[in-house]
Amino acid sequence: GNSVTQMEGPVTLSEEAFLTINCTYTATGYPSLFWYVQYPGEGLQLLLKATKADDKGSNKGFEATYRKETTSFHLEKGSVQVSDSAVYFCALSANTGRRALTFGSGTRLQVQP
Amino acid sequence: GEEVAQTPKHLVRGEGQKAKLYCAPIKGHSYVFWYQQVLKNEFKFLISFQNENVFDETGMPKERFSAKCLPNSPCSLEIQATKLEDSAVYFCASSQLRGTRHQPQHFGDGTRLSIL
Repeated sequence: GNSVTQMEGPVTLSEEAFLTINCTYTATGYPSLFWYVQYPGEGLQLLLKATKADDKGSNKGFEATYRKETTSFHLEKGSVQVSDSAVYFCALSANTGRRALTFGSGTRLQVQP
Repeated sequence: GEEVAQTPKHLVRGEGQKAKLYCAPIKGHSYVFWYQQVLKNEFKFLISFQNENVFDETGMPKERFSAKCLPNSPCSLEIQATKLEDSAVYFCASSQLRGTRHQPQHFGDGTRLSIL
């Protein structure tokens, strides 16, 4: 079956530091890949997506590239802000059959001023 | 509407009671998904609908959980005879097809179910 593995958190960074959150996946076929963010007490917000190999998703300074050869979709941001503090989830969905999202376990990011 | 609306925000039930959660998908979205988020952030898929038809129920515990999406009504998820282990945040998401391509799922803010 499909699975997503994320790095364990929490990740604690100072403001303006570089962020990487690793994500690797196992799936049959060619899934779509997503990063969702969950701020405290809120639902999930879609941060970015990529639907095929070598696609780069980007939003609000965050980027992730769909790497089929390494089955990875690492999240990066060049300069984090305190307001980026949240839990980040990597997820995939198959493009045929079941459309349910398979999530990683989430990585909590804390950015200190 | 433009957002997935889930009600109530918080629901408290005694063990053995019934719990019913509601979800209004974004207007025009034909797919609805229910997920359960338990401790340590783990998300578990429960069930999905295409319009009012069950699309995928492979994650649904059969014994006590049921769900419906009827025309012109919010979708619902019902848990009979609740157990302590049902305590979780239940998220609803909706999505649409554009051509043959599924668009990303949009999530509501969740219903926190507390079983005492």
